[in-house]
Amino acid sequence: EIVLTQSPGTLSLSPGERATLSCRASQSVSSSYLAWYQQKPGQAPRLLIYGASSRATGIPDRFSGSGSGTDFTLTISRLEPEDFAVYYCQQYGSSPREFTFGPGTKVDIK
Amino acid sequence: QVQLQESGPGLVKPSETLSLTCAVSGYSISSGYYWGWIRQPPGKGLEWIGSIYHSGSTYYNPSLKSRVTISVDTSKNQFSLKLSSVTAADTAVYYCARPGDGYNWDYWGQGTLVTVSS
Repeated sequence: EIVLTQSPGTLSLSPGERATLSCRASQSVSSSYLAWYQQKPGQAPRLLIYGASSRATGIPDRFSGSGSGTDFTLTISRLEPEDFAVYYCQQYGSSPREFTFGPGTKVDIK
Repeated sequence: QVQLQESGPGLVKPSETLSLTCAVSGYSISSGYYWGWIRQPPGKGLEWIGSIYHSGSTYYNPSLKSRVTISVDTSKNQFSLKLSSVTAADTAVYYCARPGDGYNWDYWGQGTLVTVSS
């Protein structure tokens, strides 16, 4: 089983600042199988990034993903008020077939 | 526009079986994709439970496999989750979801809270 670790646990920033979130895997993950989600209180998660770096439909270009192997990054170039939320990374493993999520990074207002 | 809606009891007794259904609209389950169930205990992270194809082919989270059954009813355009021998640790918001491009979850239901308590 591939375990995902996210850091930091909480990121306290101000609107307009840049956010850099890390997702580290216990084994190499295919970039095609790495995704990022945003979740706000009381809402279902929202897909932001798939294939490590492709933005999902309707996602603003201030969100970008990068990385390969065991280290992946989600960057929010300039935080908007609506970006304060919890962010999860997720990977798909083909053997065994399973999805795993990271524990999440909370981005809150400083 | 793809929409998913979970339904089922909000309260289940310990040792009993949790049963939920996900009704899909705006897309035919028979057209493809592996459809999934994901849960989130209150205040905690996300856990994938399992996935099913329209043919009935399934794969499950190894940690839950012995207690999980996911089935599909293409005539009703819905799929279902059964989780047996539940305990308080199974208390969570349960989501049904559909992938987007690739191995990710692009369409989600709004989630339904299931509490395990006597």
